[in-house]
Amino acid sequence: LAKTTQPISMDSYEGQEVNITCSHNNIATNDYITWYQQFPSQGPRFIIQGYKTKVTNEVASLFIPADRKSSTLSLPRVSLSDTAVYYCLVGRGSQGNLIFGKGTKLSVKP
Amino acid sequence: DGGITQSPKYLFRKEGQNVTLSCEQNLNHDAMYWYRQDPGQGLRLIYYSQIVNDFQKGDIAEGYSVSREKKESFPLTVTSAQKNPTAFYLCASSSGQVPQAVYGYTFGSGTRLTVV
Repeated sequence: LAKTTQPISMDSYEGQEVNITCSHNNIATNDYITWYQQFPSQGPRFIIQGYKTKVTNEVASLFIPADRKSSTLSLPRVSLSDTAVYYCLVGRGSQGNLIFGKGTKLSVKP
Repeated sequence: DGGITQSPKYLFRKEGQNVTLSCEQNLNHDAMYWYRQDPGQGLRLIYYSQIVNDFQKGDIAEGYSVSREKKESFPLTVTSAQKNPTAFYLCASSSGQVPQAVYGYTFGSGTRLTVV
């Protein structure tokens, strides 16, 4: 299973665009890249998933270069409510489970 | 609306007691999972079940037990053998049929267990 590396924390201000990069050098051919968001004392919530190039939904964009060894989650014009921990996940465990690292704690300031 | 319900939201346990955390889903998902989360850490897999009447140990199963008598229910018992049970517990379910895509992977809102 591909291991992921992402920054422990990031700070931003309201209205800014935030880009969180995740490194996954050992990604397998059939692995998808998925990002989750977690607020304190809540379960993780699916944000976006992609395989290659660019994916966009109403919440975020996901950029994946051709070699797929990294990915960047882009949050446009963040607000205070975007303060959360963001997890980058690649593939699944042998039991079909999702494998979470420590994530990136994003703090949005006024 | 379909989803996963975990109860209670907060639970306090005395030393030496067993406690049971409830997890119910109405998504008709085959697979269910229990995770543990400690402060500042990611989620670690405790137990999982791919089908009724069958379950498997995850990475940190010691001191925990589960049952899967019904498709929609997957209760977790934290036994007295678990020496450090204070944590945030999350239940999840998945359709189990899609090998990679995670659109069917849903989490509950969690139970915070504290030993007093």
